Amino acid sequence: GAGVSQSPSNKVTEKGKDVELRCDPISGHTALYWYRQSLGQGLEFLIYFQGNSAPDKSGLPSDRFSAERTGGSVSTLTIQRTQQEDSAVYLCASSLALGPNTEAFFGQGTRLTVV
Amino acid sequence: GDSVTQMEGPVTLSEEAFLTINCTYTATGYPSLFWYVQYPGEGLQLLLKATKADDKGSNKGFEATYRKETTSFHLEKGSVQVSDSAVYFCALSDGSYIPTFGRGTSLIVHP
Repeated sequence: GAGVSQSPSNKVTEKGKDVELRCDPISGHTALYWYRQSLGQGLEFLIYFQGNSAPDKSGLPSDRFSAERTGGSVSTLTIQRTQQEDSAVYLCASSLALGPNTEAFFGQGTRLTVV
Repeated sequence: GDSVTQMEGPVTLSEEAFLTINCTYTATGYPSLFWYVQYPGEGLQLLLKATKADDKGSNKGFEATYRKETTSFHLEKGSVQVSDSAVYFCALSDGSYIPTFGRGTSLIVHP
């Protein structure tokens, strides 16, 4: 497809389980972002990948969260030992990152519910 | 650090009413400013942007002007439609290239 694709679209998991969320960015986009959207909290930055540079992990809320990007394309966000406060919509975006005025293109998100 | 503050929602209007959604920002440099829109069941998409002071971004009847003196980027539309019902996010991006978003403002337009 032409847009950013995320899977699964919905995920229900039990507290304490690990989950993996996947993001397929737009082909050719060097920058990839993960955000978390909680009710009433807006978009919280999690992690940023740019080309072959080391990722900016400054937004990850705890060491239970990690992400990787293989071959400069697909990215996986992993949450270990999930907690109820991890319930949110996880958004992935990609861009050409040509400058600070470059548009970010978003996927439809993965809605994670921890029960 | 950088931050974006938007007016609390929901904003509820009748069709053809005038819309203003306030947005102010804090940034150390001269950021680019954006409005993104999230329609029900869809991902965020860019609505408009402005890259320097006094620039006006516009799209689909929406406008916003980059006001450096008041650090604001208010979104306006002269006559809203039911189809404009969505959540609107103000955002900025500076040299870090990582967009910072506001909390979003829900707009509900009644026929």
